[in-house]
This record gives sequence, structure tokens and C-alpha cells, in this order.
Amino acid sequence: DTGVSQNPRHKITKRGQNVTFRCDPISEHNRLYWYRQTLGQGPEFLTYFQNEAQLEKSRLLSDRFSAERPKGSFSTLEIQRTEQGDSAMYLCASSPGQIVQETQYFGPGTRLLVL
Amino acid sequence: DAKTTQPNSMESNEEEPVHLPCNHSTISGTDYIHWYRQLPSQGPEYVIHGLTSNVNNRMASLAIAEDRKSSTLILHRATLRDAAVYYCILMEYGNKLVFGAGTILRVKS
Repeated sequence: DTGVSQNPRHKITKRGQNVTFRCDPISEHNRLYWYRQTLGQGPEFLTYFQNEAQLEKSRLLSDRFSAERPKGSFSTLEIQRTEQGDSAMYLCASSPGQIVQETQYFGPGTRLLVL
Repeated sequence: DAKTTQPNSMESNEEEPVHLPCNHSTISGTDYIHWYRQLPSQGPEYVIHGLTSNVNNRMASLAIAEDRKSSTLILHRATLRDAAVYYCILMEYGNKLVFGAGTILRVKS
């Protein structure tokens, strides 16, 4: 068990560029979550997957954001036409997917800075 | 989403117990109380959760009021490594975690 991994750990981009982040969950975890955290605030839920199905999306996930989990393993989060307001820490978490009240295991996050 | 209220910050001395309070007056009968913490430059980490009864694990204890409108996370002996932001979260049916601003815990040596 190597934990949840996220790549890259840091990303600096210019406004208007597209960026893609990757999350590798704990092996055999069926649920995968994305959160966003801005400075001084708690993480905010963006979306979650049960296997490859995206089951819930937050209103925060505008049409510039898209998340996929094509084979029910790793997931990608893409932001198109980045804006300065997208600067944040993007956190991924996973859980086994066996019961409703489950512990979520978080990765170290990808810190995005949009110039 | 059900809401919680926590103090912005607390301070503790090393090796002493710490009691972190959380108010959740609008809690529903099916909401579980979860605590996560976030160390500097890391993702959140699960601490403990419970429904009605007090809970203990190797990290902490969770004391839940009889009316469930408040709870307290207890760290029995704070260490410098416990300095973190502690989040009290009500988890509804489903798995979405709704974080508030949390309590910043400072531990003095």
C-alpha cells in the first residue's frame, strides 16, 4: 500500500492554458474523490467516482473542468482556459467503496498557480 | 449540507491533553461525526468518527454529547507532530466530505 499519489505536485501555468492533473488511488479502492483547497480554507468537494462512473459533481465544477476515470483506476482532472481564480491545491482521495461511511485517504495534492 | 462550528485556533502545551470542541446543533439522526486533520503541506488525514457513543482509537478519543449537538475530540498527550488544522465534519448519507475552516492547533514545547 503506497497511498494515494498525485502528479505533478506543483504546476505553474499562464492564464488561458490547459492543465491536467493525475491521481492514482490506493490499489483496489473503488471510490475516488477530487477536492479543491484555497489558502486558509478547508477543502471543497468537486466530484467523485464509483469505479469509472462519475456519480456526483459540485456546482464548483464549471464547464471548464472535466474529470475522468476511464478504467476505474487512475483519474485525471483537466482545467481548460485556466483563470487566476483556479489557483489552488487540488486534492485527490480514495476509499474502498464497500460501505457508506468510509474513511477517505488523501494524496499530497497538486498545487496550481495561474499567472 | 449540515454545518459545524469550531474555534478558529487553540493552543496547547506539549505532553498535555487537548480538547477540541465542535458544535453541530442541526445534526440529523443519520449524520456521522468525522474528524480529519491536515498537517502543513499535506492532504487531510482521518482521525476518528462516531455516531452516538464515545469512540477511542490509537490517535484520539471522540466524546459525543447525549443530544448529539456537540462533540469533543480529545488528544490525550499532545506532541509537536499534532500541530495541524483539525476539521469536524458531519457526513450525510453518501461520501462527500464538507469541510469548514477547522481549528488551528498550536502545540508549544
